[in-house]
Amino acid sequence: DAGVIQSPRHEVTEMGQEVTLRCKPISGHDYLFWYRQTMMRGLELLIYFNNNVPIDDSGMPEDRFSAKMPNASFSTLKIQPSEPRDSAVYFCASTGGGSNEKLFFGSGTQLSVL
Amino acid sequence: SQQGEEDPQALSIQEGENATMNCSYKTSINNLQWYRQNSGRGLVHLILIRSNEREKHSGRLRVTLDTSKKSSSLLITASRAADTASYFCATDANDMRFGAGTRLTVKP
Repeated sequence: DAGVIQSPRHEVTEMGQEVTLRCKPISGHDYLFWYRQTMMRGLELLIYFNNNVPIDDSGMPEDRFSAKMPNASFSTLKIQPSEPRDSAVYFCASTGGGSNEKLFFGSGTQLSVL
Repeated sequence: SQQGEEDPQALSIQEGENATMNCSYKTSINNLQWYRQNSGRGLVHLILIRSNEREKHSGRLRVTLDTSKKSSSLLITASRAADTASYFCATDANDMRFGAGTRLTVKP
């Protein structure tokens, strides 16, 4: 298995632009998590899905952020419009067998908003 | 907050020494997990310990769990420079939210 796949690996954009981050979970996993990591705020849980349904989005910072999971093998995290304070590393993780079992993380997307 | 809190925030040791990191949490749990993060990479799962277990081993890693004190410790024995990383804990009581982590530096 290729593991959790995130794209792009790096994204540089200008303030006000739309940014879309992508994640492919491990096949068969029914939970998918999105995290954001910064030096100031650490590793924050943004949202997680179970069977493609959002379960907890209380960590989504504001309406500029949205996440979707149209099918079991694909999820997107969209920021529109982007702001410099959104600059961070965004991680996707997946697990099967329960939301609180071993998580498998992707390599992350390094986002820089200028 | 409901996530596990690791301490110390930073730990620097010499290669060959043991490293101990601690995790405290606030509510009852079913399991607690430890993860490692190398700089710029995603987290990697190390060990999961369930509430009915008191100790678990994996290679040079030893994890203990004290549910009465709501705390766990991660011991890395005979540390190596390659163990340099950040270490995080998470519990099932907080939907896999992580604390700030312990930054471990192992000097060769």
